[in-house]
Parts: sequence; C-alpha cells; structure tokens
Amino acid sequence: NAGVTQTPKFQVLKTGQSMTLQCAQDMNHNSMYWYRQDPGMGLRLIYYSASEGTTDKGEVPNGYNVSRLNKREFSLRLESAAPSQTSVYFCASRGNFGGLGETQYFGPGTRLLVL
Amino acid sequence: EDQVTQSPEALRLQEGESSSLNCSYTVSGLRGLFWYRQDPGKGPEFLFTLYSAGEEKEKERLKATLTKKESFLHITAPKPEDSATYLCAVQRGGNTGKLIFGQGTTLQVKP
Repeated sequence: NAGVTQTPKFQVLKTGQSMTLQCAQDMNHNSMYWYRQDPGMGLRLIYYSASEGTTDKGEVPNGYNVSRLNKREFSLRLESAAPSQTSVYFCASRGNFGGLGETQYFGPGTRLLVL
Repeated sequence: EDQVTQSPEALRLQEGESSSLNCSYTVSGLRGLFWYRQDPGKGPEFLFTLYSAGEEKEKERLKATLTKKESFLHITAPKPEDSATYLCAVQRGGNTGKLIFGQGTTLQVKP
C-alpha cells in the first residue's frame, strides 16, 4: 500500500514552459486535492476533485488546470509557468483513518523552481 | 471569512519542557479540526481530528483539545524527535472535504 505518490520529486522550469505534475493514490478514495505550500503562507488549495469525473477550483486556481484521469489519478498542469509558481506542491486524498475519523493523506510533494 | 491562525510561529523548548501550541479559528459550521505534523522535505502526516467543543485526543506525548474558538496541542515532556512543524486545519460543513490551513508552528526541542 503506497498511499499517495507524486512525480516528479523536483523540477526546474524556465518561464513559459509547461509541465504536468502527477498524483496517484491506491486507497480507493473518492476525493483528491492539490495544494501549494509557500513560506509563511501555509497550505493553499489549488483544485480539488470530490469524485471521479468532477473538479472544482480552490483558493488559488489561476495558472493551473487539472484532470481527474480515473479514480486513482489526479494531475495538475501548468500551461505557461511563471516565477510566482515556484513552490512545493502536495497532492492529497481523503478517507477514513483506521476508524479514527476522516482525514486527508498527503503525498511527499513536488518541489518546483521556475526561473 | 473562514480563517485559521496559529501561534507562536516558532517555539524552542528544552527536552522535557512541556508547552502548548495554539490554533484559533473562525469558520461557518465547523465539521472538523485537524492537526498534522510535517517534517522538513516531507508531506504533512495526520495526528488528530476533533469534531466538537470539549473533545480531547491523545497520542504519546501529544494531547489535542478543542473549544468553540480555538484548539490547543499540548506537548508533555517533549523529546528532540518531536521537532517538526505542526499544522492546524479546519473543515467547514458540507462534503467537499476542503481544508483551510494555518501557517504552522515550527517546534525545535533541544537535548
């Protein structure tokens, strides 16, 4: 049981380049989320998918697009990267934690540097 | 507007010196309050979920409590391995599962 996996772990882009961040979960969860984490800003929600086939904007969606490919996979795309998108990106899925209640499980993150 | 504020931003303790971290929140219809631990270079790791005022949960040296306006994470006799950033988040009513995070408290425990 790998939990939530993300690829790549680290990426350097030039301004204007595009890339897709991949996320997959093997816990059969319906809901998945993409966050960015910046110093002093906490985690901020970019997009989420409540279930397969649906996606909705979060707090900071501008400059991003998402695809819920199937129940396991939720990708985040930067069409034209900007330096302001330099950040650490986390994917999460939501489910029950061993009978202790519902929570989000996070992946290890993708560190993105846009030059 | 929903908001979560954590204090202090950073906390340095000696091993064995107990203390508390604070999470103040304003949210419409609290569905749950979550505490996570985050180690450098890693994703947040789930610690607790609290659902209603008066609720308390414990795990090893950590105890989380909840009132109508804030939550505390009490750390009793901390050890160096407790050093990490502790994140608080709230979920409002509804079934989207969206979380609103505070900025976190970075704890350093010195031996």
